[in-house]
Amino acid sequence: SQTIHQWPATLVQPVGSPLSLECTVEGTSNPNLYWYRQAAGRGLQLLFYSVGIGQISSEVPQNLSASRPQDRQFILSSKKLLLSDSGFYLCAWSKGHGGYTFGSGTRLTVV
Amino acid sequence: QKEVEQDPGPLSVPEGAIVSLNCTYSNSAFQYFMWYRQYSRKGPELLMYTYSSGNKEDGRFTAQVDKSSKYISLFIRDSQPSDSATYLCAMSETGFQKLVFGTGTRLLVSP
Repeated sequence: SQTIHQWPATLVQPVGSPLSLECTVEGTSNPNLYWYRQAAGRGLQLLFYSVGIGQISSEVPQNLSASRPQDRQFILSSKKLLLSDSGFYLCAWSKGHGGYTFGSGTRLTVV
Repeated sequence: QKEVEQDPGPLSVPEGAIVSLNCTYSNSAFQYFMWYRQYSRKGPELLMYTYSSGNKEDGRFTAQVDKSSKYISLFIRDSQPSDSATYLCAMSETGFQKLVFGTGTRLLVSP
């Protein structure tokens, strides 16, 4: 069966520090991968999506970047965090029909 | 106007009540409709998946799609305290396209 792993679960980082969140999927090949941010009262905001290795599409201009170095690995990064980067980050995968499967999320607090 | 509108709630009901959760949308090309349940500090999980108009039932949950009115609903029968969560609707034009999410409705079921 397919599983999605996302870590860490919580993270507290100072302003200006770098960020690296990792997501891996098991049990499937060539999935579509997504990074979302969820802020209170604002729903899910799509940040990046990828349909294959090295193929990244950015939905909103921001202080973040994404990479897909392997078929089932998706990484969200920042060189210098801002206070406004705080939020709940979710990784998800899909493969055609059937909706998305989300990871358990990372709660990031920038202080 | 947002593509998908969803009342944020909270919606408070007593245990055993029938719950109705709704979303409206503006894009008439949407054909795939989903409902996700999200517990606090967790990733969303797929509850119901429907294609085009009509009803779909799964246990205590029924999803309805009315494309002529651009309106979808999720009904929960015999609601339980464990149903307390945020419910997000999501939709797409094709099964392979990025999902558009509502902002979620928070449901509270009291014992």
